[in-house]
Amino acid sequence: GAVVSQHPSWVICKSGTSVKIECRSLDFQATTMFWYRQFPKQSLMLMATSNEGSKATYEQGVEKDKFLINHASLTLSTLTVTSAHPEDSSFYICSASRQRNQPQHFGDGTRLSIL
Amino acid sequence: AQRVTQPEKLLSVFKGAPVELKCNYSYSGSPELFWYVQYSRQRLQLLLRHISRESIKGFTADLNKGETSFHLKKPFAQEEDSAMYYCALSGTGGKLIFGQGTELSVKP
Repeated sequence: GAVVSQHPSWVICKSGTSVKIECRSLDFQATTMFWYRQFPKQSLMLMATSNEGSKATYEQGVEKDKFLINHASLTLSTLTVTSAHPEDSSFYICSASRQRNQPQHFGDGTRLSIL
Repeated sequence: AQRVTQPEKLLSVFKGAPVELKCNYSYSGSPELFWYVQYSRQRLQLLLRHISRESIKGFTADLNKGETSFHLKKPFAQEEDSAMYYCALSGTGGKLIFGQGTELSVKP
């Protein structure tokens, strides 16, 4: 159990477009979801914490207007990269947990390439 | 400050040799520590959490509060253990703070 699905797994788009990434908990309800960014050969950096039904909490240095997070249901959170530019190219990973202090289960990640 | 340090970027051992992946942390309260593993082209998976004190795939890790360490050990490495290993600390609000990761390469 505890499967997290992330979609799409890979996206390439032109500079200036917006890209939406979905994170779904398939077999459990996730009150909390997390969004991470991972650069090649580097660690995961937490971008924001998303709680169902409330506004996301962003980490320092992460632009909330640039990375829009919506967690409208207990099984779905979305990350929208608005007006994406090449420097936004990265690997984005979501995780979900049943409750805030319970283990996180990770999605496969989304590779975003902005041309 | 809350921080996790994995001093080795790459650890290369031969099959059957003992393995120790180092992890040190900095945290003001009572830490909850994890080891995650990421096999090639797969998602991050939970390997161990210190509060469960269990052994998974032959790996163990003991929390040493005096040395602020949570090293991951396995007595006899297998080729299928080759992967990226991340040590993580659960901070405020359940947020995970990851170390830089150590790539374990087990050679035949």
